[in-house]
Amino acid sequence: QLVLTQSPSASASLGASVKLTCTLSSGHFNYAIAWLQQQPEKGPRFLMGINSDGKCTKGDGIPDRFSGSSSGAERYLTISSLQSEDEADYYCQTGGAGLRVFGGGTKLTVL
Amino acid sequence: EVQLLESGGNLVQPGGSLRLSCAASGFSFSDYAMNWVRQAPGRGLEWVSVIGGRGAATFHADSVKGRFATSRDNLKNTIYLEMNSLRAEDTAIYYCAREKGDCRKGLCYIDSWGQGTLVTVSS
Repeated sequence: QLVLTQSPSASASLGASVKLTCTLSSGHFNYAIAWLQQQPEKGPRFLMGINSDGKCTKGDGIPDRFSGSSSGAERYLTISSLQSEDEADYYCQTGGAGLRVFGGGTKLTVL
Repeated sequence: EVQLLESGGNLVQPGGSLRLSCAASGFSFSDYAMNWVRQAPGRGLEWVSVIGGRGAATFHADSVKGRFATSRDNLKNTIYLEMNSLRAEDTAIYYCAREKGDCRKGLCYIDSWGQGTLVTVSS
């Protein structure tokens, strides 16, 4: 069964870095995923896609502060030099035959 | 520039019907599968349906199977979500979203989103 698992919350200080994790279920470790950002009262925004080999494809206008990586079942989103506008919900998303899946989302608080 | 513009959201009574539309521009529409995704108030993102580029293949989440139908008109660059037997739990913002890659190989994801349209099911 295709499932994406995310921690419900994370926090980091202004100007610091944070690494968010999205974990793929067993048997799906080769899947690509997308990272999405949803700021308060706004729609989702595509940040980047990440393959199992760590190759990232960023969305238009996404700052260099946002980067992605991959290791086994896990896909990571690292945000450096945190800014107040980075406080948002972050979702990962993927797809299989006949099914599309979202992680439960991580609420990032910038202290 | 990819643009996706949803319309058709409204207040509807339980058991009623509604049709959402999503007009696309800025890319070769028929080359892409398209999704509907919804978000209930205060909740996370929930996948609703996907339709292949040619419109021959559609898949729906179990929560809407048998009640919702997805179609597309590649001449009008538009996709549709026909919603029947609506329930209170269908209340959500509905987003149209473009997908890239090959999901049969697990190498796909959504890379563009519309701004959403609100559906409220209430008496």
